[in-house]
Amino acid sequence: DADVTQTPRNRITKTGKRIMLECSQTKGHDRMYWYRQDPGLGLRLIYYSFDVKDINKGEISDGYSVSRQAQAKFSLSLESAIPNQTALYFCATAAVAGITDTQYFGPGTRLTVL
Amino acid sequence: GQNIDQPTEMTATEGAIVQINCTYQTSGFNGLFWYQQHAGEAPTFLSYNVLDGLEEKGRFSSFLSRSKGYSYLLLKELQMKDSASYLCAVTSNNDMRFGAGTRLTVKP
Repeated sequence: DADVTQTPRNRITKTGKRIMLECSQTKGHDRMYWYRQDPGLGLRLIYYSFDVKDINKGEISDGYSVSRQAQAKFSLSLESAIPNQTALYFCATAAVAGITDTQYFGPGTRLTVL
Repeated sequence: GQNIDQPTEMTATEGAIVQINCTYQTSGFNGLFWYQQHAGEAPTFLSYNVLDGLEEKGRFSSFLSRSKGYSYLLLKELQMKDSASYLCAVTSNNDMRFGAGTRLTVKP
């Protein structure tokens, strides 16, 4: 079984709709991250959480919100989706291990906003 | 802020050696990662450098020079399955930034 899972894997939605992407992990890691990936731009950090009570904005948080429901779950919401949020979204986890912050990625969610 | 640069695309021949460069500008440098990402898949960890020098792991090696803001990933004995994107990522002050990635194509 995969250590980091994301649901859904693919989603097509319309402008203005509310969308939630979910991430679960069985690695027991405290740190969780949400990224989006666009061609030519690489991975960009949206939000990250170092534990259940900790939420931090990343490089591109506008238009997104997150919820850390438990150590193992971190969800990303688009309150009112717009076409330029069409992208591949990745969740990642990392153990708290000093500066060796190796991240383990989920399989990704491909979101299309029409 | 951070700026991370790496070539967009590279092509190499099966069995050969290829070096993928990454330059960065950042404050509060903690470490540099290399990830491999096959098309449509998640990135997977390859290597991590925190001190200057070469880290070797099988066919893959990664080098870091903190004073020059420079790293490279060296892939030896290239195989067709090495065709993928290679992402350079820099961590600083609890922040991680990725380069846009280098798409490597290995040809027979």
